[in-house]
Amino acid sequence: QVQLVQSGAEVKKPGASVKVSCKASGYTFTGYYIHWVRQAPGQGLEWMAWTSPNSGGTNFAQRFQGRVTMTRDTSISTAYMELSGLTSDDTAVYYCARDRSRQVPATELDYWGQGTLVTVSS
Amino acid sequence: SSELTQDPAVSVALGQTVRITCQGDSLRPYFTTWYQRKPGQAPVLVIYGKNNRPSGIPDRFSGTSSGNTASLTITGVQAEDEADYYCNSRDSSGNHSWVFGGGTKLTVL
Repeated sequence: QVQLVQSGAEVKKPGASVKVSCKASGYTFTGYYIHWVRQAPGQGLEWMAWTSPNSGGTNFAQRFQGRVTMTRDTSISTAYMELSGLTSDDTAVYYCARDRSRQVPATELDYWGQGTLVTVSS
Repeated sequence: SSELTQDPAVSVALGQTVRITCQGDSLRPYFTTWYQRKPGQAPVLVIYGKNNRPSGIPDRFSGTSSGNTASLTITGVQAEDEADYYCNSRDSSGNHSWVFGGGTKLTVL
């Protein structure tokens, strides 16, 4: 069965970076886009970025330009999202999710990871 | 602030029909995707494309769109439908980037 398993919770200081991993199983990793979505405490969902595990192509929400780096290791079916310059506003649960649309990214996110809590605190 | 506007909260009696709306200029040319989010759980895709339901989503969920407004309708609401619902569509830049609405908390009475 399709699964996305994310790395564990992180506590970071302001100004630091965090790297969250998302390991896929149960399907062909390079066949589907991966998106990243976050939810801050008491807030709604926020779309961050997508990446193509096949080509390495990426795109980001404007507000994350220059702060987010997306990478992947196809040999272990794992996508990574690194967010730099952390502030307390980045405290959130970060999710990776698979896009069921295979031709172009479409945020039709049919499988989600369990979420990774990132806490930014001095 | 979100480019997609949703009512913060809606309530409905058990067994009745509820419509959750999402407004935004970027909706006009693009499809809207809908997600259900229950506390402590990852979001669940309920509607995508023109009006498609993933496997396992009951047929009481349906989606429509007219102009700059998209709607998620739940016909015959069940207690387990109580959740937050989020719409999602392309952002107004026209690039391959997306935005979520602020979410609607559905309460089943």
